[in-house]
Amino acid sequence: SQTIHQWPATLVQPVGSPLSLECTVEGTSNPNLYWYRQAAGRGLQLLFYSVGIGQISSEVPQNLSASRPQDRQFILSSKKLLLSDSGFYLCAWMSGRGAYNEQFFGPGTRLTVL
Amino acid sequence: GNSVTQMEGPVTLSEEAFLTINCTYTATGYPSLFWYVQYPGEGLQLLLKATKADDKGSNKGFEATYRKETTSFHLEKGSVQVSDSAVYFCALSESGNTGKLIFGQGTTLQVKP
Repeated sequence: SQTIHQWPATLVQPVGSPLSLECTVEGTSNPNLYWYRQAAGRGLQLLFYSVGIGQISSEVPQNLSASRPQDRQFILSSKKLLLSDSGFYLCAWMSGRGAYNEQFFGPGTRLTVL
Repeated sequence: GNSVTQMEGPVTLSEEAFLTINCTYTATGYPSLFWYVQYPGEGLQLLLKATKADDKGSNKGFEATYRKETTSFHLEKGSVQVSDSAVYFCALSESGNTGKLIFGQGTTLQVKP
């Protein structure tokens, strides 16, 4: 069966520090991968998606970047965190291609920037 | 651009009450529609989906019908339980192969015994 891992589960970082959040998927190959952010009191916003190794699409201009160094690994990074980067970050994967497939979400990382 | 609008929460109901959470969307083309649920302390999981007009998605007693004429996908349940307390997200998947989801802002449901 397929599983998705995210770490760390929680993170408190000072403004201006770097960030690296990791997401890995097991039990599937060539998935679509996604990073979402859920800010307090708001819905989920798609940040990045990837349809293959090294292929990253950014949905909103921001202080963050994403990379996919391996088929089932998706990394969210920042060189210098801002207060506005605080939120709940969710990684998701989807098998196959198409608009009707289900996405499977990881447990999330709660990031607090102080 | 595409968007999803959900009714404001929180929604507080007594056990066995009828639930409706409204969801409307704006989209070009023919999106698929989803309801995801986030239980306390957990990630999101798919509750139900509909991929074309007039389809009805159902799961765990919840239902939603894809209404193209009113651009709506309202979530309903005839009798809620305390265990249904969670945050519910309506979402659409844009046409094409990327599978990108556009989410509503989420509606918190609290069911009291």
